[in-house]
Parts: sequence; C-alpha cells; structure tokens
Amino acid sequence: EAGVAQSPRYKIIEKRQSVAFWCNPISGHATLYWYQQILGQGPKLLIQFQNNGVVDDSQLPKDRFSAERLKGVDSTLKIQPAKLEDSAVYLCASSLDWGLTVGELFFGEGSRLTVL
Amino acid sequence: ELKVEQNPLFLSMQEGKNYTIYCNYSTTSDRLYWYRQDPGKSLESLFVLLSNGAVKQEGRLMASLDTKARLSTLHITAAVHDLSATYFCAVVNNNDMRFGAGTRLTVKP
Repeated sequence: EAGVAQSPRYKIIEKRQSVAFWCNPISGHATLYWYQQILGQGPKLLIQFQNNGVVDDSQLPKDRFSAERLKGVDSTLKIQPAKLEDSAVYLCASSLDWGLTVGELFFGEGSRLTVL
Repeated sequence: ELKVEQNPLFLSMQEGKNYTIYCNYSTTSDRLYWYRQDPGKSLESLFVLLSNGAVKQEGRLMASLDTKARLSTLHITAAVHDLSATYFCAVVNNNDMRFGAGTRLTVKP
C-alpha cells in the first residue's frame, strides 16, 4: 500500500516569497491533515479536511496560509508571503475514519521549508 | 485547552539499561498515541491506547495509560542503539489531537 506522498521534500525561499506544498493521502482515506513541525517541537495542527470540507482550521494563520482539497483527494498548502518564523517541516497525514474514531494517522515524510 | 507535557525532553542512555518516558495531559482524552520519529523522517505510529489500564508492548517498548492520572508511560527495556530516535505522545480529545514536545532518546554503546 502506497503511503502519504508529499512534495517538494525541501524548499528554500526568501521572506515575502510564496511557496506551495502538495500532498496525496493514502487511497481511500477521507481525512487529511496538515501539521507544522518547528525544529525541536511536536507537530502542530494547521488544518483538517474531511473529504473536501474543512473540519478545523482554527490554528491556521489565515492572513498568509491557505489550503485546499478540491476533489477530496490530494491537497495543497500555500504560504504567501512567507516569514522567517515559517521555517519548519510541513507534515501531511491522512486517516481512514472520520474524527479519529477508529483509525490512526499516517504521516508523509514532510516538506522542509527554510525561509531566508 | 488540551495541553500535553512530556519528560524528559532529552534522554541519554547506556545500552542495556531501562528507562521510562512520561506523558501528562490536561483534560480527558479519547485515546493516546505514541509515535517514533527518526532524524529527517516522518512519524511512525508505535502504539494506540484506548482505555484506562491499557498496556501494549512491542519488542523492548511498552506503553501504558492511566486515564485517572492523565498519564501515559513509555518504558524502554534493555535499550539498544536502534532505539535512538525522538518519541512523541499525542492525545486526542473531541477530535483535537495535540502532540507533546517529544523526547529525544540517544542510546550509547
């Protein structure tokens, strides 16, 4: 079974530039998550989708971050304009079941962003 | 607000020794996960604990859950170098999953 795919794996940009990350979840997984993991910290949830609808985006900095999952499968996370403090690994995860009632999260390898 | 605290944050062990990592959380929880993360890699699920008194073991790792104390432990038995990694606990409450800061474990020969 293929895992969660993410790209690009690494990205270096200058502050105020924009960047986009892509995620393709495990086939059949309805729920998709984007997490931000700053070096030395645990992952922090940015946004959660159930199919193509947003379940929770309360911790997403909406002035600069946006995410979509138009067809309920793959997803993109965009940052515009980037700030130095956005340097982190952006992890995508998916789960089979709604609300984590039964399933567990499966994580991709992450996209490492460096903002200079 | 759900808060998750792990300790210690850094742990250096000798091979063959035993040690325990602790995970405390602030509110009631539906379930608790333990994950492993190797440097530059993603998170790998180790255990999911669903009820009070739950205990799960895989190899040299054993996880337990005390929901009354809001505490989970990850016990390492006779550590080996391959266990060197960062270990995270993650607590779920009302579909909100919060991670601890992680415990960076180094096992030395």
